[in-house]
Amino acid sequence: AQSVAQPEDQVNVAEGNPLTVKCTYSVSGNPYLFWYVQYPNRGLQFLLKYITGDNLVKGSYGFEAEFNKSQTSFHLKKPSALVSDSALYFCAVRDAGGYQKVTFGTGTKLQVIP
Amino acid sequence: GAGVSQTPSNKVTEKGKYVELRCDPISGHTALYWYRQSLGQGPEFLIYFQGTGAADDSGLPNDRFFAVRPEGSVSTLKIQRTERGDSAVYLCASSLAAGPSYNEQFFGPGTRLTVL
Repeated sequence: AQSVAQPEDQVNVAEGNPLTVKCTYSVSGNPYLFWYVQYPNRGLQFLLKYITGDNLVKGSYGFEAEFNKSQTSFHLKKPSALVSDSALYFCAVRDAGGYQKVTFGTGTKLQVIP
Repeated sequence: GAGVSQTPSNKVTEKGKYVELRCDPISGHTALYWYRQSLGQGPEFLIYFQGTGAADDSGLPNDRFFAVRPEGSVSTLKIQRTERGDSAVYLCASSLAAGPSYNEQFFGPGTRLTVL
C-alpha cells in the first residue's frame, strides 16, 4: 500500500520569508511524487513532480521540492513567499512500477501574512 | 485549449435519490480518473479508465457507485440511493495514458454533491 503524510494542517509565513510545506511518503517500490495546489472553488493545479534524476525539482510559480530517499520525504519549498501563494497544498505519491493510482495527503493550508 | 470540464458544478439531492455526474476529459486523453474529496481531506481515488474499460475500480466505496465511459471520452459517475455521507466534491482528471510510465493528471473543477 502507498500513503502520504502531511504533518501540518496549516503553515503560516510572513510575506517575503522562505516557506516549507512538509511531506513524507510510503511506497513499496520507487516513488513518483507530486505537489498540487488548490485555490478556493477551483480545481487542483499541478505544481511539480519527481520521477527520477535530480533530487531538487523545480516547478511552477517559483516552487521547488527536494526528494530525500533516506528520509522518505518530499518537502515543498519557496525562497520568498507571496500573499498570492496562500492556498491548500497537497502532496501525492504513486508506485513507479504500478498503475496511475495516485494517493494524496490530507493537505496543508498555507497562509502568507502580508 | 480546453481543460477537463465537469457538470454540474453543484448538485443538491435528497437522501435515496439517484444522481449522475459528468466528466469531459481533455481531447486525446485516453486515461480518466474519478476522485472524491471530503471536507478537510485530500482527494480519494475511486476509479480509473483506460479507454472504455475500468482498469481499476478498487476505490469505489460500495455497489451504489458505478461509472461508465462508453465511447472512451466522456465519463459518467452514477450514485444510486444516495446517502448523506456521499456529500463531497467529486473530482475528475484525465491524462494521456495510464500504465507504468508517468503521465500528468489534469483535474477538473469538481462537482459539489450535497445530499440532504
